[in-house]
Amino acid sequence: ETGVTQSPTHLIKTRGQQVTLRCSSQSGHNTVSWYQQALGQGPQFIFQYYREEENGRGNFPPRFSGLQFPNYSSELNVNALELDDSALYLCASSSGDGTDTQYFGPGTRLTVL
Amino acid sequence: KQEVTQIPAALSVPEGENLVLNCSFTDSAIYNLQWFRQDPGKGLTSLLLIQSSQREQTSGRLNASLDKSSGRSTLYIAASQPGDSATYLCAVWNSGNTPLVFGKGTRLSVIA
Repeated sequence: ETGVTQSPTHLIKTRGQQVTLRCSSQSGHNTVSWYQQALGQGPQFIFQYYREEENGRGNFPPRFSGLQFPNYSSELNVNALELDDSALYLCASSSGDGTDTQYFGPGTRLTVL
Repeated sequence: KQEVTQIPAALSVPEGENLVLNCSFTDSAIYNLQWFRQDPGKGLTSLLLIQSSQREQTSGRLNASLDKSSGRSTLYIAASQPGDSATYLCAVWNSGNTPLVFGKGTRLSVIA
């Protein structure tokens, strides 16, 4: 059973640019959630995808968007990057049946200059 | 709106000491509560999951308790070791497939 993987590990962008982060869910999991963790804070929920459909969204602007693919891997896209978007972006997968925990990937560290 | 608070924000203890980390949540109608460990700049490692019908869970030197009615959970670490140094995060979710709501964590340093 493979775990949750994320790419890239680190990324440096400048203000106004666009970025795409990727996540491969754990084998057998059809639900992927994305979280943003600023330095010294707990992770904040961005959105969740269940079987390729958005299934809930946190308090993030529309320039944060996502996709889930038929193999249940997922992308997080952020347009018009701002300095405050600098954070660790975490992806978590779960079985979607409501009884399972979420398993987290190692995260992508995004720095916006 | 569910809010999770963790006290203390930081803790430094000598090796071998037993310690307790605290987590409180405002909405007692939780589905599950989970404790995570996070090493600097890394992802989250699940330590213990307590379902709403349970009172505690144990894994090795770790014991987590849950009191839903008072909106509290504690994580007890016995005989702490320098390798336990990390940030410990508490998270709850309110129904089956809803997102986790996290506290800000407790940063633990165990001094050899």
